[in-house]
Parts: sequence; structure tokens; C-alpha cells
Amino acid sequence: DVKVTQSSRYLVKRTGEKVFLECVQDMDHENMFWYRQDPGLGLRLIYFSYDVKMKEKGDIPEGYSVSREKKERFSLILESASTNQTSMYLCASSQYRGDEKLFFGSGTQLSVL
Amino acid sequence: QKEVEQDPGPLSVPEGAIVSLNCTYSNSAFQYFMWYRQYSRKGPELLMYTYSSGNKEDGRFTAQVDKSSKYISLFIRDSQPSDSATYLCAMSEWGGSYIPTFGRGTSLIVHP
Repeated sequence: DVKVTQSSRYLVKRTGEKVFLECVQDMDHENMFWYRQDPGLGLRLIYFSYDVKMKEKGDIPEGYSVSREKKERFSLILESASTNQTSMYLCASSQYRGDEKLFFGSGTQLSVL
Repeated sequence: QKEVEQDPGPLSVPEGAIVSLNCTYSNSAFQYFMWYRQYSRKGPELLMYTYSSGNKEDGRFTAQVDKSSKYISLFIRDSQPSDSATYLCAMSEWGGSYIPTFGRGTSLIVHP
């Protein structure tokens, strides 16, 4: 089974802190994604990557950056956390470009105080 | 208008009922249709995957696509309390972006 692991289930940070969310997949998938999920708004794509050191902006990239130094690891960075970034963050992967089937991690509930 | 519309619910049914969950969409280029199930405080998991029109059955679950009406459905037979979750539809284009467009999800509660 594909496993997508997110490093933290719950995270509490203060406004202005730099926050790192880590995601690792163990199935040699090419594509990796970061979403945030908010009540009433559904899933919104922040960034995605289809190869090592490649990244593409999603629908809401402002206030975020990403890093993909290794194929299995995709990090989401909040440069200066703000309260409106309080959300559930979900990492996902898919096998290859053109594969629509996403496999998700369990999510990180981030609270910014 | 959002590309994919899904009623958020909640939909509350008794155990054993047949459940119908639906999504409508506006992009006629969508060819791949998926349903994800998301339990509380967990990530979504892929439940059903279909290509183009028609039905697909997997145990108690049936996915149905009607491209002429731009309407997809997920039917759950003999619903169980363990089916209580949020169900998200997702769809993507052939030859376009491979990234699926998600509905906002329908919350389903199956009570004993």
C-alpha cells in the first residue's frame, strides 16, 4: 500500500514564526502536492511538484513556499505564519504525470495563535 | 460558479438505507471521475475511479457517470455506521491538467 506520511498531526505556532510541514511518500511517486482544507471551502491546492527540484504554483500559493530536494520528500514552508493560515494541511502524491489518482497523508492540523 | 458543485449536507440516514451522493459539473472536458472518502481528522482515501460514462460497482458501492447531464453519483447500499464520513467527488480532463478538481464534500451520517 502507498503510504504518505506527514510529520505532525497537530501543530501550534505563533504569528510570525517560520513553519515547516514535512511529507514523505514511500512508493517512488513522481508527483507530490500540498493542499489546505477549510470548512465550507473544500480542498485548495497550494503547490505541487512533478519532479525533484521542480515546483508549480497551485491556486493559493501566497504566503507559502515549498522544497523538494529528494523524490520522496516534499516540504511546505510558511515563511511568516499568520492566523489566516490556521487550517488542515494535506499532502498527496500520485504515481506519474497524467495519473489522476491521488494518495493523501493523514493531515496536519495547524493552529497559528 | 464553481466548476464542481456538491451539496455539503449533512445527510443523515438510518442504518441499512440506500444512500445517493451527487455532484454536478460544468466542464465538459472532464473524463475521469473519482470519489474519495474522508473520515474525521484523516486524509481522503480513493474509493472509486471511473473513466467516461457508465457505472462501476465495487461491493456495496456503485459509481455512476452521466456525461450528457454533467452529473455523477455514488450509491451506497445497505449503509453502515462505519460509512459515516465526508465524501468528496473529484474529476479531471483528458489531455489537460492531470490535477483533479474537487467538490467541497458531502457529510454523511449513518445512525444505528
